[in-house]
Amino acid sequence: NAGVTQTPKFRVLKTGQSMTLLCAQDMNHEYMYWYRQDPGMGLRLIHYSVGEGTTAKGEVPDGYNVSRLKKQNFLLGLESAAPSQTSVYFCASSRQGADGYTFGSGTRLTVV
Amino acid sequence: QQQVKQSPQSLIVQKGGISIINCAYENTAFDYFPWYQQFPGKGPALLIAIRPDVSEKKEGRFTISFNKSAKQFSLHIMDSQPGDSATYFCAASKTGGYNKLIFGAGTRLAVHP
Repeated sequence: NAGVTQTPKFRVLKTGQSMTLLCAQDMNHEYMYWYRQDPGMGLRLIHYSVGEGTTAKGEVPDGYNVSRLKKQNFLLGLESAAPSQTSVYFCASSRQGADGYTFGSGTRLTVV
Repeated sequence: QQQVKQSPQSLIVQKGGISIINCAYENTAFDYFPWYQQFPGKGPALLIAIRPDVSEKKEGRFTISFNKSAKQFSLHIMDSQPGDSATYFCAASKTGGYNKLIFGAGTRLAVHP
C-alpha cells in the first residue's frame, strides 16, 4: 500500500527549462492537490482536481499547468522554469474534500 | 491574504514540558480545523482535527482547544518528547463542496532532552 508517490524526489533545472512532476495515488481518492512549501509561508495550493478530467486553480497557479487524465495520476508541469519556482512540491489526495489529506514525500526543485 | 495565521514560527521546549502552538482564522464559514505534523524529508501527516461543535479534543498527549468567538484554535502537546520535534501546521476549511485546506505558515518545534 504505497499511498501517494511523487517522482522525481529531487531535480535541478536551468531557468527556462520545462519539466513535469508526477503524482500517483493508489487509494482510489477523488480529490488530488498540488502544494508548494516555502520557508515561512507554509503550504500554498497551486492547482487541484476534484475528479478524473477536472482541474482548477488554487492560490498560486501562475507558471504551472496540471492534468488529470487518469484518476490515480495528477501531473504538475512547469513550461518555463524560473528561480522563483525553487521550492518543495507536495502532492496530496483525499477521498472527499478537506478531510484526511494523504501527502506524498515531496519533490525538491531548484531552478538556477 | 493570509486566512490562517500561526504562531510562533519556532518553539523550543524541554523534554516533559508543554508545547503550545496557536492559530487564528478569518473566515467564519470555516468548520474543520486539522493539525498536521511534518518530519524532515517527509510529507505532512494528519495529527488531530476538530470541528466547532466541541471546544476541546484530546488524543493521547495531543489536545486541540477551540474558541469559536475568538476565531482561534491551539495545539497543546503535553509531556513533550524529543520525538515530537517536527514542523506543525494548522489548517482550516469549510466542509461541503469543492473545499480545500488553507494552511498556516508552520511552527518548527524542537524538544530538547
